[in-house]
Amino acid sequence: QAVVTQEPSVTVSPGGTVTLTCGSSTGTVTSSHYPYWYQQKPGQAPRTLIYDTDNKHSWTPARFSGSLLGGRAALTLSGAQPEDEAEYYCLLYYSGPRDLIFGGGTKLTVL
Amino acid sequence: QITLKESGPTLVKPTQTLTLTCSFSGFSFTTSPMNVAWIRQPPGKALESLALIYWDDHKRYSPSLRNRLTITKDTSKNQVVLTMTNMDPVDTATYYCLYGPGGYWGQGTLVTVSS
Repeated sequence: QAVVTQEPSVTVSPGGTVTLTCGSSTGTVTSSHYPYWYQQKPGQAPRTLIYDTDNKHSWTPARFSGSLLGGRAALTLSGAQPEDEAEYYCLLYYSGPRDLIFGGGTKLTVL
Repeated sequence: QITLKESGPTLVKPTQTLTLTCSFSGFSFTTSPMNVAWIRQPPGKALESLALIYWDDHKRYSPSLRNRLTITKDTSKNQVVLTMTNMDPVDTATYYCLYGPGGYWGQGTLVTVSS
């Protein structure tokens, strides 16, 4: 089974810009992996910020965006707010086995 | 509007079988690419995918838990059911169901395994 990797922890200053990434042990992440990005705050269920690489839900703050960057999926936060401090998980789809695999999560600190 | 809700016991004893039900609305589980997954999260730990079922009844299981898990769907009731056998205290976690396309989550249900 593939392994999906994320940075364990990242720190950003308030108002700053940060990019979280999501890689695959099988090689380059493409749009065919339909990358998802989820945000989870303590004591809450995860919520989906980005689906299918770069699509946003109505509840996704405009400061979040998704993309493919350097062979990885990327979540960029532009203008970080204190309320963005959370755990962020990516999910990739693998078409061969039709499997969905989570990354280990990135703890984002706004400090 | 797509909604999902998990239900089942909050406390199970070691060696018992856990049965969780995900009841959903707002989509029909009869066409591509519909899929529903069960995810769990032990306290303070990361999300872990347990099982996944597609509209065509294709199923995927966590390799490490494969022999303990069964996922089924009942399209007439709009439900997806997960059973996990031989429960152990390390299986204490919040269990979520997740509708794949677009990523819609249930609120989760905390299951504690204790005698």
